[in-house]
Amino acid sequence: DAKTTQPPSMDCAEGRAANLPCNHSTISGNEYVYWYRQIHSQGPQYIIHGLKNNETNEMASLIITEDRKSSTLILPHATLRDTAVYYCIVRAHSNSNSGYALNFGKGTSLLVTP
Amino acid sequence: NAGVMQNPRHLVRRRGQEARLRCSPMKGHSHVYWYRQLPEEGLKFMVYLQKENIIDESGMPKERFSAEFPKEGPSILRIQQVVRGDSAAYFCASSPPTGVNYGYTFGSGTRLTVV
Repeated sequence: DAKTTQPPSMDCAEGRAANLPCNHSTISGNEYVYWYRQIHSQGPQYIIHGLKNNETNEMASLIITEDRKSSTLILPHATLRDTAVYYCIVRAHSNSNSGYALNFGKGTSLLVTP
Repeated sequence: NAGVMQNPRHLVRRRGQEARLRCSPMKGHSHVYWYRQLPEEGLKFMVYLQKENIIDESGMPKERFSAEFPKEGPSILRIQQVVRGDSAAYFCASSPPTGVNYGYTFGSGTRLTVV
């Protein structure tokens, strides 16, 4: 699986957009970009994933550059409850009916301040 | 639709005892994954199971650790003869049988403390 690089920490003011970058310059054509977050002491939570097109759901937007070497997770209106460690993970999908292990790196610790 | 259920939430064991951690996947999910998070560290994959089969145990320590996911009942992560270094949060996740295009759903974890 391709390696990812994320800043260790970021701050964001409450109500503003939080833009979390991730570099994955060695990504291959069949690898997806996944984002998870872990709020302190809780289990990780799936946020979003994508292959090449930008994706949006009720939690966030995922912007993937055209060359797919980097991506940005956008929380449009950050709240205090978004304070968490955010993990960017690159993984190829397996055959149908097969699962897959995810390799969580160190992630970005996002602090949303009042 | 209940989420991934793990129990117990907290488990204290003396050195040398056995620890049994249980995970009930979400309804309809047939893939189970176990991860370990040591204090102040990231999540590390341990094992991936389907019903009655271990698919990938590349992250499992070779000794003292075992996992199963029987036809009936929850998945069990078993740690024999626990040592202080086993103290960690153990998270279970599940995904549906056609899980390739879905994210996992994680449980709330079991915090194991070895004294």
